[in-house]
Amino acid sequence: GQNIDQPTEMTATEGAIVQINCTYQTSGFNGLFWYQQHAGEAPTFLSYNVLDGLEEKGRFSSFLSRSKGYSYLLLKELQMKDSASYLCAVPGDDYKLSFGAGTTVTVRA
Amino acid sequence: EPEVTQTPSHQVTQMGQEVILRCVPISNHLYFYWYRQILGQKVEFLVSFYNNEISEKSEIFDDQFSVERPDGSNFTLKIRSTKLEDSAMYFCASSEGPTEQYFGPGTRLTVT
Repeated sequence: GQNIDQPTEMTATEGAIVQINCTYQTSGFNGLFWYQQHAGEAPTFLSYNVLDGLEEKGRFSSFLSRSKGYSYLLLKELQMKDSASYLCAVPGDDYKLSFGAGTTVTVRA
Repeated sequence: EPEVTQTPSHQVTQMGQEVILRCVPISNHLYFYWYRQILGQKVEFLVSFYNNEISEKSEIFDDQFSVERPDGSNFTLKIRSTKLEDSAMYFCASSEGPTEQYFGPGTRLTVT
């Protein structure tokens, strides 16, 4: 089975940086995904890490350490539109996603 | 840009009634999924579908649920006899393979 933990809430100021941590325990490992979900909307893909290290994509970066069962999502130059829930997810052998409960990020002016 | 579509966006039904939720996955994708999200809770896997058959289903996906790909484009989720606890947002997703899954906008099911 999969066990995924991430903080429930985080608050940050516009223009700042926020780091959302995710720890996981899985029976196998097929990579780790980060999704963004605005209230009442569908999850949208942000990043996929399968190898250790940092993947940068514009203002968003994602890091993975397989030996530690740990990932983080880094949001830089925060904008008001970044207020959303950020979901850490790991795929099983047949690609089904197991999601964490999500971290609600609130960006304040 | 191709996207997953779902209809209806909102479905209200009475307990015990049957509902069919419809999805059109991205056309060149081979893997299809249904997830649900009860209000305030996490996204939960229901079922995955590949090569015209179910590849895996969760404990939630009991005999009341079924999926079908009736033609080359649609992918449906049927709930035979809805219960109050089936009220949730239902998301369809598709993927080319072991890569990112693209989610549809969801159908909000309300069972009264």
